[in-house]
Amino acid sequence: DVKVTQSSRYLVKRTGEKVFLECVQDMDHENMFWYRQDPGLGLRLIYFSYDVKMKEKGDIPEGYSVSREKKERFSLILESASTNQTSMYLCASRPFWGTGREQYFGPGTRLTVT
Amino acid sequence: AQTVTQSQPEMSVQEAETVTLSCTYDTSESDYYLFWYKQPPSRQMILVIRQEAYKQQNATENRFSVNFQKAAKSFSLKISDSQLGDAAMYFCAFYGGSQGNLIFGKGTKLSVKP
Repeated sequence: DVKVTQSSRYLVKRTGEKVFLECVQDMDHENMFWYRQDPGLGLRLIYFSYDVKMKEKGDIPEGYSVSREKKERFSLILESASTNQTSMYLCASRPFWGTGREQYFGPGTRLTVT
Repeated sequence: AQTVTQSQPEMSVQEAETVTLSCTYDTSESDYYLFWYKQPPSRQMILVIRQEAYKQQNATENRFSVNFQKAAKSFSLKISDSQLGDAAMYFCAFYGGSQGNLIFGKGTKLSVKP
């Protein structure tokens, strides 16, 4: 089974702090994604990566950056956390050549910025 | 740009009954994939069912089946013999075109009454 893990289930940070959210997948997937989930808004794509060192902006990249130094790890960085970044963050991965095109999700990180 | 619409923010079903969740989408692509994902209260997003647009036959997975109407751009999910464990958020998602990511609807919260 594909396994996608996220470093924390719950995280509380203060305004202005630099925050790192880590995601690791164990299936050698090329593509990785970071989503933000808010009630009534569904999932919105922040950033995605086609492969190591590659990154593409999604629909809501402002206030975020990412890092992909190794294939299995995709980090989401909040350079200076703000209260409007309080949300659920979901990481996902999929193989580039996969026939099904579906993504595999981690358990999510509930981030609260106070 | 592709869009996915779930018009039912909340639905309720009696245990052992059947319920249908609606999803419509908009695209100019001819080759694409559609998905239903389930997110239980524990938050892990899991794939329920997948439909390839080139396949005329509706996908089924045990108690879950879809009604795929390509011309109408409609993709509904039917859950038969509903169980308490089916209670969750359900997201409809679209994959197609040059994008590598999924486009999600805003979700439908399904409650199952004993």
